[in-house]
Amino acid sequence: DSGVTQTPKHLITATGQRVTLRCSPRSGDLSVYWYQQSLDQGLQFLIQYYNGEERAKGNILERFSAQQFPDLHSELNLSSLELGDSALYFCASSLGPTGVVAEAFFGQGTRLTVV
Amino acid sequence: DQQVKQNSPSLSVQEGRISILNCDYTNSMFDYFLWYKKYPAEGPTFLISISSIKDKNEDGRFTVFLNKSAKHLSLHIVPSQPGDSAVYFCAASEHTGTASKLTFGTGTRLQVTL
Repeated sequence: DSGVTQTPKHLITATGQRVTLRCSPRSGDLSVYWYQQSLDQGLQFLIQYYNGEERAKGNILERFSAQQFPDLHSELNLSSLELGDSALYFCASSLGPTGVVAEAFFGQGTRLTVV
Repeated sequence: DQQVKQNSPSLSVQEGRISILNCDYTNSMFDYFLWYKKYPAEGPTFLISISSIKDKNEDGRFTVFLNKSAKHLSLHIVPSQPGDSAVYFCAASEHTGTASKLTFGTGTRLQVTL
């Protein structure tokens, strides 16, 4: 158990809909990262938050947005869903972004299926 | 543009032998490298890391080697065990001010056979 909790584990929704994925980081971790893994693809970095602020952005679509709340949990919002958005979405957390990078610990992921 | 590349999608090794997984990168600003292991239906699990100021880091059966001039790193597992069968991801980190993000390769599926 990595200590990172993601809910829900599975989500099936229709095209055009909007969903919210939730992540609770490990206790004490201030950084949260979101990754997308499509079928047979590597992990694509989406976005990073540190202590409530956006710190780094990757290949995140404009239809997607995220935030980190004062209690440090994070939500990834996916809107106007398309079939191609079907993927595993992972959240990871680490202590912080500065100094020697701490390894990130991953949750078990949310499997999103868009039908 | 794939900055971290794992050119072997799969590797099969006999139990007890050495497994060597390779990773190449293009971004010379990467300063920290990590290997993750992933089982089906689970999130990636951190395995071992190496700073760009070192060329080797060892942890039990796992050793990571870094060749900065060649922009290449490798993970050696010896001896390989059936429980090592998983997908292995190479990742690299670059500090940009107060942020850092991990860039992952596409993974190598290792199968350790009896």
